[in-house]
Amino acid sequence: LAKTTQPISMDSYEGQEVNITCSHNNIATNDYITWYQQFPSQGPRFIIQGYKTKVTNEVASLFIPADRKSSTLSLPRVSLSDTAVYYCLVGARMDSSYKLIFGSGTRLLVRP
Amino acid sequence: ETGVTQSPTHLIKTRGQQVTLRCSSQSGHNTVSWYQQALGQGPQFIFQYYREEENGRGNFPPRFSGLQFPNYSSELNVNALELDDSALYLCASSTWTGQAQGYTFGSGTRLTVV
Repeated sequence: LAKTTQPISMDSYEGQEVNITCSHNNIATNDYITWYQQFPSQGPRFIIQGYKTKVTNEVASLFIPADRKSSTLSLPRVSLSDTAVYYCLVGARMDSSYKLIFGSGTRLLVRP
Repeated sequence: ETGVTQSPTHLIKTRGQQVTLRCSSQSGHNTVSWYQQALGQGPQFIFQYYREEENGRGNFPPRFSGLQFPNYSSELNVNALELDDSALYLCASSTWTGQAQGYTFGSGTRLTVV
C-alpha cells in the first residue's frame, strides 16, 4: 500500500533554514516528486519538483536519495509569510491503477 | 498564460442531489486531475484525465465521475450527494509526457451538502 508520511508540524524562526522530509514507498518508477505550499482556503501552490539527487530553484531545494523512498524540501531563510502547510505529492501504481498521493502535510509556523 | 480556473467558487446542495463542478486547464496543459480536501485534511486524489480518457483513479465510489473535453477543460460530477461530500474540490492541470510533472492548481470549489 503506497503511503506518504510527513511530520505533522514544525516551528521555526525568521531567517532559519527549514527542512521537511516526506517518506514515500511504492512510488511510481518514472514520476517526479513535487512539493506544494498551501494557505487556508486556497489551492496548493507548486514549489519545486525533482526526480533524483538535488534540485534548486529560487525559493527552495529538494534532496532525493538514490532509492527515491524519501525526499526533503529545504527552505532557506524562512520568513513569516512562509507559514503554511507543505505537502509532497508522488505518483504510485496500485491495484493496476495510477494514483496521485499527497503527503499528510506539514504545518509550518514561522515565528518572529 | 492563464492559470487553472474553477467554477463555481461556492455551492450549497441538498443530500441526494447531483452536482457538476467545472475546471478550465492552464493553457498548454493536456492533463487534469481532481481532488477532494476535507477541512483540516490533505487533498485526496479522485481521478485524472489525459486526452479525454481516465488514466488514474483514487478510492472514490462510482458516483464520482468526470469528463475531459477536447479543449482539455474538465467536469467533476457527483451523484447522490452525502453529507460527507462537503469539502473543497480542487482541480489541477499538467502536461503528461508519460510521467506526472508539476501540477497547477485552481482555487477550488467549496461544496456544502446539507
